[in-house]
Formats: sequence, structure tokens, C-alpha cells
Amino acid sequence: DTEVTQTPKHLVMGMTNKKSLKCEQHMGHRAMYWYKQKAKKPPELMFVYSYEKLSINESVPSRFSPECPNSSLLNLHLHALQPEDSALYLCASSWLAGGRSGNEQYFGPGTRLTVT
Amino acid sequence: SQQGEEDPQALSIQEGENATMNCSYKTSINNLQWYRQNSGRGLVHLILIRSNEREKHSGRLRVTLDTSKKSSSLLITASRAADTASYFCATDAAVTGGGNKLTFGTGTQLKVEL
Repeated sequence: DTEVTQTPKHLVMGMTNKKSLKCEQHMGHRAMYWYKQKAKKPPELMFVYSYEKLSINESVPSRFSPECPNSSLLNLHLHALQPEDSALYLCASSWLAGGRSGNEQYFGPGTRLTVT
Repeated sequence: SQQGEEDPQALSIQEGENATMNCSYKTSINNLQWYRQNSGRGLVHLILIRSNEREKHSGRLRVTLDTSKKSSSLLITASRAADTASYFCATDAAVTGGGNKLTFGTGTQLKVEL
């Protein structure tokens, strides 16, 4: 199984709502990632988890709260978002390479988020 | 901040023609990867080229890397309508504790017409 799944596919939320995005993979990957992609722009890294621990937070506002409850699951909790946070949120996973780079990342189809 | 620039931003060709996309990056790299993204969907890994490699092939794809010029190119030969997508180059850097950080270029939107 080389698939990364993401739910929901689409999400519309108000600025006062709390919602969560979910990502799941069963490839045994121990690195998982959240990216944000605005229309006609490249993906931008938000968070990296390695062995279920947060390795990188790219100065993401605290209204985005990641969580990695186990090696297969990655969540992104959303609270008090702004309209400019509307974007495609992509999850990815990869093998760990003992500190070396050079692994391909497997991406999910994304969650299209609209903040009203 | 974006690591690289890609050109052209958009490319429209006829089916059967070759498509060439170029990527320039700013800092030294260990590896460079190319990804494809169909409209509004997830990215698919195409090919990885290491800094000590100059050229790599995978099916109809040919990637070159010139580290002295900090540039790479992706050639798709005998293009098909199904190749219509956005193409991104990405440099990667190891993350302490594992994993790798991808920094994507601006992307090229390829349209292959019948």
C-alpha cells in the first residue's frame, strides 16, 4: 500500500470554528509532513514529524496545531483561522535515512480548506 | 522562502512534442527532486538526481543537473495529453532526527494539446 489518505477532501469553516485535518499512511514511514499550498504557488512546508516527534515548525502561527498520535497518523488541528489561511493542505510521508537527505515523499490528495 | 525559480512558468505544446522545463536554485544541494501535480491534487514523485550525477533517465523523462550553474532541467519526450500538469523541482535537506525538508521551485504549468 503506497497511499497517503487525507480527510476530509473539502472543508469550509468559520473563523471561530475548531476543526481537524487527518492524514494516514500504512507504508511504515516514520517521517510525516504538513504542507500548505495557495493557488498557483508551490507547496510550503509547515511541519515535520520524525518518530512521532516534531522536528520542524516553520514558524507556523499557533492557530495551526499538529499532532502525531502514532506512526501512521498525523493530524492538524485548526482554531480561529483567518480567510487568508484558505488553501490546499497536503500531507506527505517518507522513509527516514539516518540523517541523510534524498528520500522521495509520498503525498496525499490534500484537503481544500476555505475559511469564511 | 522559495529555493528556486522555474521557467517557463507555462508551456503549451502539441502531443508528441518534447517539453523542457528548467529549474535554478540558490544554495548548495545534496539532491534535487522533480514532482508532478495534477490540478488541485497531491504531488507525485518523478525522479531524484544526486549532486554527483549529471544526468538521469526514467522512461520518457530525462533530468540533468549542473551544480556549477545551480540548475536542472526536466525533459519529457513524446508528450501525451495525460502529461498535462504542473511540474516542480525541489531541493532537499536532511532534518535533524530524520526526514528531509523539501523546498519547491515556482513550478511550470505544462499543457499538452491533442
